[in-house]
Amino acid sequence: DQQVKQNSPSLSVQEGRISILNCDYTNSMFDYFLWYKKYPAEGPTFLISISSIKDKNEDGRFTVFLNKSAKHLSLHIVPSQPGDSAVYFCAASAGAQKLVFGQGTRLTINP
Amino acid sequence: EAGVTQFPSHSVIEKGQTVTLRCDPISGHDNLYWYRRVMGKEIKFLLHFVKESKQDESGMPNNRFLAERTGGTYSTLKVQPAELEDSGVYFCASSRLGQFTGANVLTFGAGSRLTVL
Repeated sequence: DQQVKQNSPSLSVQEGRISILNCDYTNSMFDYFLWYKKYPAEGPTFLISISSIKDKNEDGRFTVFLNKSAKHLSLHIVPSQPGDSAVYFCAASAGAQKLVFGQGTRLTINP
Repeated sequence: EAGVTQFPSHSVIEKGQTVTLRCDPISGHDNLYWYRRVMGKEIKFLLHFVKESKQDESGMPNNRFLAERTGGTYSTLKVQPAELEDSGVYFCASSRLGQFTGANVLTFGAGSRLTVL
């Protein structure tokens, strides 16, 4: 039973436009949500996170939105740059326990 | 500071053989985690060490997998005997004790890719 789902395996966006990556979860006990970015042959690196008591967190070009009623979060990247091309993983935790990851979305930024 | 180091980076073995993966966490990081990603699927939790003790091993698939962390420093993950479905990328991650709140960053290694033929 997968608790964190990223239903889009891939996404292609033109450079300079907005990239929107989506994530759904089922466990209402999750209290922290994170996005990780992964380049080929490297480990995931932390990008941005949000607590369940907030609905938005922004860091430069990256913004994460959380809709608790819909159990949905999204990552917005504006403007998208070629270096943003990577696999993005959504992750969640409940009470500082282990992270539960989604399947990842491969983002490709086209020049 | 040096990052999380894993080796081998890639191992190719035949079904029934044994493989041992090693993880060197960041110095001073008492939390150590193992995760696995089977091709195209989610990154799945395997287990969590706090120092040398297994805090949570609920994600270990079966008794063919054995993880150790003697002395609370580096960790090994042994697969014996390996099966085809064990193929994937095994990631190790570490953090300081008391720091992992869900909001904090786990530092991941580059992973060890295991291919079982």
